Amino acid sequence: DVKVTQSSRYLVKRTGEKVFLECVQDMDHENMFWYRQDPGLGLRLIYFSYDVKMKEKGDIPEGYSVSREKKERFSLILESASTNQTSMYLCASKEAETQYFGPGTRLLVL
Amino acid sequence: GQSLEQPSEVTAVEGAIVQINCTYQTSGFYGLSWYQQHDGGAPTFLSYNALDGLEETGRFSSFLSRSDSYGYLLLQELQMKDSASYFCAVRNYGQNFVFGPGTRLSVLP
Repeated sequence: DVKVTQSSRYLVKRTGEKVFLECVQDMDHENMFWYRQDPGLGLRLIYFSYDVKMKEKGDIPEGYSVSREKKERFSLILESASTNQTSMYLCASKEAETQYFGPGTRLLVL
Repeated sequence: GQSLEQPSEVTAVEGAIVQINCTYQTSGFYGLSWYQQHDGGAPTFLSYNALDGLEETGRFSSFLSRSDSYGYLLLQELQMKDSASYFCAVRNYGQNFVFGPGTRLSVLP
């Protein structure tokens, strides 16, 4: 079974803090994704990566950056957290047309 | 802009058939996917359509009409465990995906 893990299920941070969300997949997938999920808005793509050190912006990249130094690991970075970044963050890896999602990190920025 | 539209809520009884529609307007189109998400859980893949027509997988079927920018997910023989949110998603170019806002399905006994 494909396994996608995320570093934290719940996270509370203060405005202005630098926040790291990590995602690891164990299936050697090339493509990995970061989404945020908010009620009524579905999942919105922040960034994706199609190979090590390769990344592309999704629909809402502002305020975020990413890092992919190893194939299995894709990190999302909030350089200076703001209250409007309070959300559920979902990581996924993809094989063919199937995305496999991690359990999510619920981030609260105070 | 890019947008996908789905009904926000659908209610049906056990054993019934329900159809969840999705219309899309995107800059490109490779295919339409469907995902299921139970409360507190992660989305899980259900189906993918790249070509027009109906794809059947057990109790679930998915349909696509590219000319109408429209698709639907059909759930048959509804069970209580089908109560969940369902999202359509378009792969519009490269690895860029756009998801719909989701449809919350409630299955009543």
